[in-house]
Amino acid sequence: EIVMTQSPASLSVSPGETATLSCRASESVSKNLAWYQQKPGQAPRLLISGASTRATGIPARFSGSGSGTEFTLTISSLQSEDFAVYYCQHYDGWPRFGGGTRVDIK
Amino acid sequence: QVQLVESGGGVVQPGRSLRLSCAASGFSFSNYGMHWVRQTPGKGLEWVAIIWYDGSKKYYADSVKGRFTISRDNSENTLYLQMNSLRAEDTAVYFCARVPHGGWYADYWGQGNLVTVSS
Repeated sequence: EIVMTQSPASLSVSPGETATLSCRASESVSKNLAWYQQKPGQAPRLLISGASTRATGIPARFSGSGSGTEFTLTISSLQSEDFAVYYCQHYDGWPRFGGGTRVDIK
Repeated sequence: QVQLVESGGGVVQPGRSLRLSCAASGFSFSNYGMHWVRQTPGKGLEWVAIIWYDGSKKYYADSVKGRFTISRDNSENTLYLQMNSLRAEDTAVYFCARVPHGGWYADYWGQGNLVTVSS
């Protein structure tokens, strides 16, 4: 079982600043890694697949990087609508999510 | 546009059964695999079941294997999750989601449906 660990658990950022979120896999998942955004009362929304490919309609301020066991989601110039919880998920075998990182307003 | 609309949730007693439905529109349903994913405050997001585009293969999380059955009706563009022998720990918001052709992640999600297992 591959365990996904996200850090930090929460992050306070001012609008316009950059947020850097980390996701670590307990063993290599190659580039089979997706990132999602979830707002209260809503379903998760796909941001990134293949570790770095933005989904349709996702703004360029969202970028993903990494491979193997270490991954990063970077949100540049944070907008008010970006304050949410972010999850990573591997799909190298049975899919599993990380515990999430909450990004809130500083 | 892609739409997934779940129904069938509610309150059910432990040991009883419930069936969730997910009506799909805006895409060629029969060409895509589909998931059920659930979310609880304590355990977070958990993949429950996955079904191939034609229903020929099905996979389940260990936590629901033998109790839950995923199925689909491609003529009705509908996905199902039959949940039997329900337990308190099955209490969650259940989402249906589409499997894109690139891998077992989810590119579109339904709005979620709350299932509460309680006496």
